[in-house]
Amino acid sequence: AQSVAQPEDQVNVAEGNPLTVKCTYSVSGNPYLFWYVQYPNRGLQFLLKYITGDNLVKGSYGFEAEFNKSQTSFHLKKPSALVSDSALYFCAVRVFNNAGNMLTFGGGTRLMVKP
Amino acid sequence: EAGVAQSPRYKIIEKRQSVAFWCNPISGHATLYWYQQILGQGPKLLIQFQNNGVVDDSQLPKDRFSAERLKGVDSTLKIQPAKLEDSAVYLCASSLDRARTDTQYFGPGTRLTVL
Repeated sequence: AQSVAQPEDQVNVAEGNPLTVKCTYSVSGNPYLFWYVQYPNRGLQFLLKYITGDNLVKGSYGFEAEFNKSQTSFHLKKPSALVSDSALYFCAVRVFNNAGNMLTFGGGTRLMVKP
Repeated sequence: EAGVAQSPRYKIIEKRQSVAFWCNPISGHATLYWYQQILGQGPKLLIQFQNNGVVDDSQLPKDRFSAERLKGVDSTLKIQPAKLEDSAVYLCASSLDRARTDTQYFGPGTRLTVL
């Protein structure tokens, strides 16, 4: 079965420091990977996606993600964290069946950025 | 561009009662999804529509859940009768189509509490 895993329930980082939120995937064939962010009482906001091409994907709000095929990882990164980045982050993989477009999500990682 | 709209934002009901949620996708988006997000977990797909047809409802508990998208635009998800374990956030999402590169955009969700 195709899936993603987020090994950390919570990541703590000081404002101004670089941040990494980890995601590993298990898929057959080429992976199509996504990152979403969820603020309290809000829906999921799309950050970035990897379809093909460059392994470093740039997204919204200064976030980027690095696709690593050998390590089956798609970690989310930001060079300098802001307090406003504190939220719940979800990694997702596109699962293909006859319907073609289902997303399977990881369990989420809570990012806490402290001033 | 207007995003995905959902209503109501919050709903509290007692078990065995009925409830309905409404979703209006981004204009021009052919594909519409309903996800269930239980507290502390990632969203899980319930049903997927392509225009006004169902393309994937394999994870929808059909004995109590139903959904429709009669005119291929807005959609309604219904639960009848509700159980305690249905307490969750119900997220609606839409995408331009079912292509592999299409991004799903999410609404703010409806938080359901079943007492």
